[in-house]
Amino acid sequence: AQKVTQAQTEISVVEKEDVTLDCVYETRDTTYYLFWYKQPPSGELVFLIRRNSFDEQNEISGRYSWNFQKSTSSFNFTITASQVVDSAVYFCALSEGGRTGGGNKLTFGTGTQLKVEL
Amino acid sequence: NAGVMQNPRHLVRRRGQEARLRCSPMKGHSHVYWYRQLPEEGLKFMVYLQKENIIDESGMPKERFSAEFPKEGPSILRIQQVVRGDSAAYFCASSPLDGRVLSNQPQHFGDGTRLSIL
Repeated sequence: AQKVTQAQTEISVVEKEDVTLDCVYETRDTTYYLFWYKQPPSGELVFLIRRNSFDEQNEISGRYSWNFQKSTSSFNFTITASQVVDSAVYFCALSEGGRTGGGNKLTFGTGTQLKVEL
Repeated sequence: NAGVMQNPRHLVRRRGQEARLRCSPMKGHSHVYWYRQLPEEGLKFMVYLQKENIIDESGMPKERFSAEFPKEGPSILRIQQVVRGDSAAYFCASSPLDGRVLSNQPQHFGDGTRLSIL
């Protein structure tokens, strides 16, 4: 069975600080996909990134960066120079190797509430 | 270029009534997923459908809940004889058909339906 753990329930930072959100996953599959989603106070889910298990390269997109380490089963998310607009709940998710046709369910962590204050 | 459309955005029902939640996937997407988010919790997978087929319903409660994705029209999540514990946000996601086994396209989420049971 697959499992995603986000141990940090809530993080508060002051604007411009860097913040890292932790994600640890469990799966028996050798092929799997990891995702991060953002849920702002308005409630919608915004897709941020997808990573497959064969690609351990870290990725940077503007102020966002992701560190994927298979050795520790972690897929951590860092926001550099945080802003108030980054305040949201962030979810890490996992899906196991896609079946033919590209579908598979996501297993979500419980989310980390990030509060960025002035 | 509409995204995943869910309606209604908010739904209020009294105990014992039926709730019908609708989801129109993104254009060209043939996979639909339903997830439930209980208050202060992460999203939990309920069911995965393709046109006219239920592929995986391992997360659906055994009673009162059903889902369909007809050849024409939106996907419907139906909850019969609602109880207070059904109060939650219900999210629909869609992804495209992809013949590559290891692909696993990212799921795009709708804005959710907030179901409140009085």
